[in-house]
Amino acid sequence: DGGITQSPKYLFRKEGQNVTLSCEQNLNHDAMYWYRQDPGQGLRLIYYSQIVNDFQKGDIAEGYSVSREKKESFPLTVTSAQKNPTAFYLCASSLTGTSYEQYFGPGTRLTVT
Amino acid sequence: QKEVEQDPGPLSVPEGAIVSLNCTYSNSAFQYFMWYRQYSRKGPELLMYTYSSGNKEDGRFTAQVDKSSKYISLFIRDSQPSDSATYLCAMSARSGGSNYKLTFGKGTLLTVNP
Repeated sequence: DGGITQSPKYLFRKEGQNVTLSCEQNLNHDAMYWYRQDPGQGLRLIYYSQIVNDFQKGDIAEGYSVSREKKESFPLTVTSAQKNPTAFYLCASSLTGTSYEQYFGPGTRLTVT
Repeated sequence: QKEVEQDPGPLSVPEGAIVSLNCTYSNSAFQYFMWYRQYSRKGPELLMYTYSSGNKEDGRFTAQVDKSSKYISLFIRDSQPSDSATYLCAMSARSGGSNYKLTFGKGTLLTVNP
């Protein structure tokens, strides 16, 4: 089955700790994205990558970092500098030429206390 | 004014009703208009997309775009309890490429009651 996997589904961390969220896709898509979803806020773009070893900041990149060493993988690190990290994090991928057609993973709910 | 405005609802309808979901936008450069459906605690899935103005139909779903009014709609005919979800509109100025950005509405929560 082709798709996007995110792990874990639920993640709990103490304040001050960095945490890395996993995102893997086997759709052979070049482009990958990370979004954050908060109640009443919709989806906000954190980072995106159009190609391996290249990525760009989205609207809310502060306190986050990413890497794109493989086409299939786009991990997101939530650092201790992120002021309000508790949220639902969604990874997506698409073909480069049809970025409006994004395929989303099941999401990771991160809770920081 | 936000780029994309979407009434968050919640919207509750009886089974079989016709549902109308709407978004307005301010950026006249938007050309691609999408509707995503998101079930509770799941990732969104693309329902339909429309390029520029006009209508597009897929089964019980119809998407409409009125660029002159900067207004898009999604109609659901013969709504089913399985349609209960949050519906997100999304828009972009281009199909892809560098500096691509998809702008989402906040989503409308729909409940279809049996």
